[in-house]
Amino acid sequence: DSGVTQTPKHLITATGQRVTLRCSPRSGDLSVYWYQQSLDQGLQFLIQYYNGEERAKGNILERFSAQQFPDLHSELNLSSLELGDSALYFCASSVGPAVGRSDTQYFGPGTRLTVL
Amino acid sequence: AQKVTQAQTEISVVEKEDVTLDCVYETRDTTYYLFWYKQPPSGELVFLIRRNSFDEQNEISGRYSWNFQKSTSSFNFTITASQVVDSAVYFCALSEVQNAGNMLTFGGGTRLMVKP
Repeated sequence: DSGVTQTPKHLITATGQRVTLRCSPRSGDLSVYWYQQSLDQGLQFLIQYYNGEERAKGNILERFSAQQFPDLHSELNLSSLELGDSALYFCASSVGPAVGRSDTQYFGPGTRLTVL
Repeated sequence: AQKVTQAQTEISVVEKEDVTLDCVYETRDTTYYLFWYKQPPSGELVFLIRRNSFDEQNEISGRYSWNFQKSTSSFNFTITASQVVDSAVYFCALSEVQNAGNMLTFGGGTRLMVKP
């Protein structure tokens, strides 16, 4: 158990809908990262928050957005869902980032999203 | 841009055989970190090791060992005396500390099947 929690574990929805995925980082970690794992794209970085502020952005679609709340939990919002958004969405957390080093990211169990 | 290549998409071995998973990376940074993660059939991503670019010492942890060679930009992972429980997808990942955040760039993964 990494200490990172994600809810829900599974989500089935229809095209055009909007969903929210939730993540709680490990105790003491200030950074939260979101990754998407799909068959065709592999594991891809979406976005990172550090202590409530957006820190880095990857290949995240405009239909997707995220935020990190004062209690450090994070939510990933996916809207106008398409069939191709079906994937496993991982949240990870780390202590940093810190200048000059890259902390280990610990991953949650993932949320499997199925868009029908 | 950073890139990680795991040329072996699938490896099948018989229990007790040794197996090496290859990882080749590309980066323009002089300071970077390399990681290995394991994804068992249950789906979670489990951290195995983190190595920075200034530490080329090989590491051994039980049946696992890692060979980091900067000259060939490789960070290979060997499992000695493989067991059925080692069956999983293994991911190599790279993080550059020059980035504002420390996002991970993952390779495509190697699926290891250990048969009894």
